[in-house]
Parts: sequence; C-alpha cells; structure tokens
Amino acid sequence: DTAVSQTPKYLVTQMGNDKSIKCEQNLGHDTMYWYKQDSKKFLKIMFSYNNKELIINETVPNRFSPKSPDKAHLNLHINSLELGDSAVYFCASSQDPSGHLPATGNQPQHFGDGTRLSIL
Amino acid sequence: AQSVTQLGSHVSVSEGALVLLRCNYSSSVPPYLFWYVQYPNQGLQLLLKYTSAATLVKGINGFEAEFKKSETSFHLTKPSAHMSDAAEYFCAVISGGGADGLTFGKGTHLIIQP
Repeated sequence: DTAVSQTPKYLVTQMGNDKSIKCEQNLGHDTMYWYKQDSKKFLKIMFSYNNKELIINETVPNRFSPKSPDKAHLNLHINSLELGDSAVYFCASSQDPSGHLPATGNQPQHFGDGTRLSIL
Repeated sequence: AQSVTQLGSHVSVSEGALVLLRCNYSSSVPPYLFWYVQYPNQGLQLLLKYTSAATLVKGINGFEAEFKKSETSFHLTKPSAHMSDAAEYFCAVISGGGADGLTFGKGTHLIIQP
C-alpha cells in the first residue's frame, strides 16, 4: 500500500496550458511538501503546508499554487506552463510525533515516486 | 541558511569495495542531517538520519554515516559495495523548523564496476 502517491506519473503538455498534479498520503502526517528536481537532479523545496500554514519558497513563480482539500492531499496547480517548468515534481510528507506543527526537523520526509512534467 | 555540499558528482567503485560519499554541512546550530537514495525513475528513500542521539548512525542496506562536528561532515559509508547500490545519493539538512523543507546537496551518482 503506497504511502505517498502522485498522479500522473508522466505529464506531457504544451506551453501555455494549465495542469494539476495530485498527491495523497495515507500516513496520517500533518505536513506535506512539494519539491522540484531539475534536469541536473538538483532538488529544491517549493512549498510546505499543514492545515494552518503555507510556506512558499520565494523563488517559486506565482503560477504555481498548492491546494489542499484535506489533510491527506496536497495538489499542485500550475498555470501558463513554460518550457522551464519541465522537471520532476516530488510530493512528500512528514509528521512530528510530539504534535508540533509544522513538523520539526528531526522527522524524515516520505516521498512519492515523482511526476515527470515535459513541456513541448 | 543551512546548506550541504557533496564532494564529487560521480563516484565509481568496484563491487565489494568500500563506498565513501562525502557531505559537509554549514550550520551555526546543531543540524538535522539526512541521507536519501534515489534509484532510477523512483522517488527518494531515506537511508539514515542524524538527530544528535549518536554520532555514528546506521541505516538501511548496510550504510552508515558518522557525524563529525569538528569537520562539519556527515560522510556516508558502506564496507562492501553491491551492484544494487548503483543510484543517486543525496545529503540533506533541515533547520529546527521542518516547515522550511529539506535543503539538498547536488547529489552523488554512485557507479558500481563489476
């Protein structure tokens, strides 16, 4: 039973389109994240989110927006896709057993298998 | 801001040889440090984490890492490499607040020669 699942696994679309990537975790975690991995394998945090607070990496364009319908889901919406958005996007989640929100740093993050986004 | 530096974008070892992947951190406060592995076309899997309980941390698949404050290092080792260890390895750090997310090194691609 997959802990963090993302759909779709592959997404090929044209420049200018709007698309969404879905993420679900069944671990009961309170905090979820989105990361971007570029063509050189470099990973960078985009967002972290719990039911009270959204933290946005200041380098992320406002065309990207996370949406959380409930604690187990954090979807990523991308408007007006650009060539530079081509990358692999990873969702992750973590939990602080002490109940601190957002999760404090000593708890590992669990990652999904990624969504490979290709812009034509 | 916290950061980690991984020395060597590619490391090649023979099967059965020692694996050593280097990671140095920059932090003015005790960091939380992690090693993750990424197999081709897969997500990241946690190998081990340092949270100040012990300086020598044992992880999965025979890997371990030693936290050395004097050297600001957290190098990953494995006594005997297997072909299945071929993957991308990432060192990562997080500050006291998990909401900032992990800061990753640039990764080291481990190649295992038969």
